[in-house]
Amino acid sequence: GDSVTQMEGPVTLSEEAFLTINCTYTATGYPSLFWYVQYPGEGLQLLLKATKADDKGSNKGFEATYRKETTSFHLEKGSVQVSDSAVYFCALRENYGQNFVFGPGTRLSVLP
Amino acid sequence: EAGVTQSPTHLIKTRGQQATLRCSPISGHTSVYWYQQALGLGLQFLLWYDEGEERNRGNFPPRFSGRQFPNYSSELNVNALELEDSALYLCASSPGDGDEKLFFGSGTQLSVL
Repeated sequence: GDSVTQMEGPVTLSEEAFLTINCTYTATGYPSLFWYVQYPGEGLQLLLKATKADDKGSNKGFEATYRKETTSFHLEKGSVQVSDSAVYFCALRENYGQNFVFGPGTRLSVLP
Repeated sequence: EAGVTQSPTHLIKTRGQQATLRCSPISGHTSVYWYQQALGLGLQFLLWYDEGEERNRGNFPPRFSGRQFPNYSSELNVNALELEDSALYLCASSPGDGDEKLFFGSGTQLSVL
């Protein structure tokens, strides 16, 4: 079945550091890919998405590129802020008839 | 516009009891998804309802069940509670028209003693 693998956390960075959170997936077809973020005390919310190969999703300074050849969707940000501290979930959806499959989440802590 | 609301916020039960969790989707959203988020684990898919019908089910025993009402709100029922059912239960809704964005509620924290 479909699955999503993320790098294990927690990830601790200093403010203004470069962030990469790795995400790879297994799917039989060509899924849509997502990053969701869960800030402390809040529900999950969509951060960005990409629906086909080579698409780049971006939002709030975060970017991720859909790489079909490596089945990856790594999340990057050039300069993190303390307010980016949260749990980040990579997810996929094979097609409309399928449910969303989430990775285990990666906790990010950004220190001032 | 109100977001996805879940009730209750916290629920404490004992082993063997039944729990009922409720979810109200965003107005106009016809799809409701249920996920279990156990401590230290990711989101495990439970159930998906759309237009009143169960569309898909995750790898959970039959004592996890639910339904969607004509107003698109949804209930998750867990029978014969076990200690390992203690988790945060998240509900998410989407417009159900091909839009793939999920909107999550804040969850119900179920504790089984």
